[in-house]
Amino acid sequence: EAGVAQSPRYKIIEKRQSVAFWCNPISGHATLYWYQQILGQGPKLLIQFQNNGVVDDSQLPKDRFSAERLKGVDSTLKIQPAKLEDSAVYLCASSPHVLAGDTQYFGPGTRLTVL
Amino acid sequence: AQTVTQSQPEMSVQEAETVTLSCTYDTSESNYYLFWYKQPPSRQMILVIRQEAYKQQNATENRFSVNFQKAAKSFSLKISDSQLGDTAMYFCALHIRTGTASKLTFGTGTRLQVTL
Repeated sequence: EAGVAQSPRYKIIEKRQSVAFWCNPISGHATLYWYQQILGQGPKLLIQFQNNGVVDDSQLPKDRFSAERLKGVDSTLKIQPAKLEDSAVYLCASSPHVLAGDTQYFGPGTRLTVL
Repeated sequence: AQTVTQSQPEMSVQEAETVTLSCTYDTSESNYYLFWYKQPPSRQMILVIRQEAYKQQNATENRFSVNFQKAAKSFSLKISDSQLGDTAMYFCALHIRTGTASKLTFGTGTRLQVTL
């Protein structure tokens, strides 16, 4: 079974530029998550989709971050404009359902550096 | 709100020895799950072990076991016969269901170094 795919793996941009990350979850997984992991910290949930609908975006900075999951499969996360504090690893994860206790499977992440 | 605390930023253990990583958590929910995830250097996060809060029996996966103390809200991970490949960041995480969403809250992690 193929795992969660993410691209690009690394991205370096200047502040105020825009950037987009892509995620393809495990086939058949209904739920998709985007996390932000700042160096030295645990991942923090940004947004959660079930199929193509948003079920939790309470921690997404909506003035600069946006995400979509068209057709309930792959997803993109965009930052526009980027700030220095957005430097982090952005992790995508998926799970079969949205049940408590469902294991989340993580992708390799995209390491973003904002200069 | 849910919180997860890992009080050991770094730990070191010799190969073949046993090490225990600590985790405490706080939640007002009665139905929840606890996880330990491993994040090797420059590699993706993978599940180590999972515990249902309603089960009293501690979960075990090969060399990995947990000590789940529900009343104390403690969830420690024991790694027996440590191997060099166990070198990684270990994250404790609390998973609850809130309405239509499920929320996974992570601790700040413990960096484990296994040495020869």
